Amino acid sequence: SAVISQKPSRDICQRGTSLTIQCQVDSQVTMMFWYRQQPGQSLTLIATANQGSEATYESGFVIDKFPISRPNLTFSTLTVSNMSPEDSSIYLCSANGGNEQFFGPGTRLTVL
Amino acid sequence: GENVEQHPSTLSVQEGDSAVIKCTYSDSASNYFPWYKQELGKGPQLIIDIRSNVGEKKDQRIAVTLNKTAKHFSLHITETQPEDSAVYFCAASRMDSNYQLIWGAGTKLIIKP
Repeated sequence: SAVISQKPSRDICQRGTSLTIQCQVDSQVTMMFWYRQQPGQSLTLIATANQGSEATYESGFVIDKFPISRPNLTFSTLTVSNMSPEDSSIYLCSANGGNEQFFGPGTRLTVL
Repeated sequence: GENVEQHPSTLSVQEGDSAVIKCTYSDSASNYFPWYKQELGKGPQLIIDIRSNVGEKKDQRIAVTLNKTAKHFSLHITETQPEDSAVYFCAASRMDSNYQLIWGAGTKLIIKP
C-alpha cells in the first residue's frame, strides 16, 4: 500500500486569497486524484492528475479555480484560488497502488 | 450517469452483534468494488475490496459479498467492537476507467457498548 501525506493539515484563510495543498506519496504512482468532502458528506472528485500531462477536471470544477501540478511520480499540488466561504471543506489527495486507491489524511480548509 | 446507492445512512448495533451495509450500482460494466472506513478527522482507509470474478471475500471479521446479476454488494462486520464505529463508504469502478471510483453516500456505524 502507498503512504500519503498532505500539507497543511488545516488552515484558516481570508476570502479572496489562495491556498496550495501539497500531496506526497512514498512510492511512484501513475495516477493521483484530488477530492473535496463536505462535513458529513461523501467524496466528490475534483480532478485526476497524471504526471507529464494536464489534469482532467470533473464537471463543475475548472482549472482557473483549482490549478493542479504534477511535476513527478510522487508529488502533486492543488491550489484553491480566489477563495470564498463556499470553498470551506476537506480536500483529500489519493493515489493508485495497482487497482487500489489510497488516501491522504486530508486538509481541512476554513474560509472566512 | 453511473450511480452507487448505499443503505442505511446510519446503523446502530450492540457491541458484539453483526452489522450489514448494502450498496447497489448502476453500471453493469463495473468490476471493482472497494469499501472504505473513515474515522473522524482522517482520510478514508481501504478495508476490503472485491472484484467481479469473485462472489465473496473475507478478512477476519469483515466480509464482502457481490451479486453481479442484481448489481449489489454488501459489507458484513461480525462481532462488532467499539473501534468499528466510523463512517463506511462503498464504491464501484471499472478497471479500464482510469480507476475512477463512483462513491456511495456513506453509512455512519455506531457501536453501542
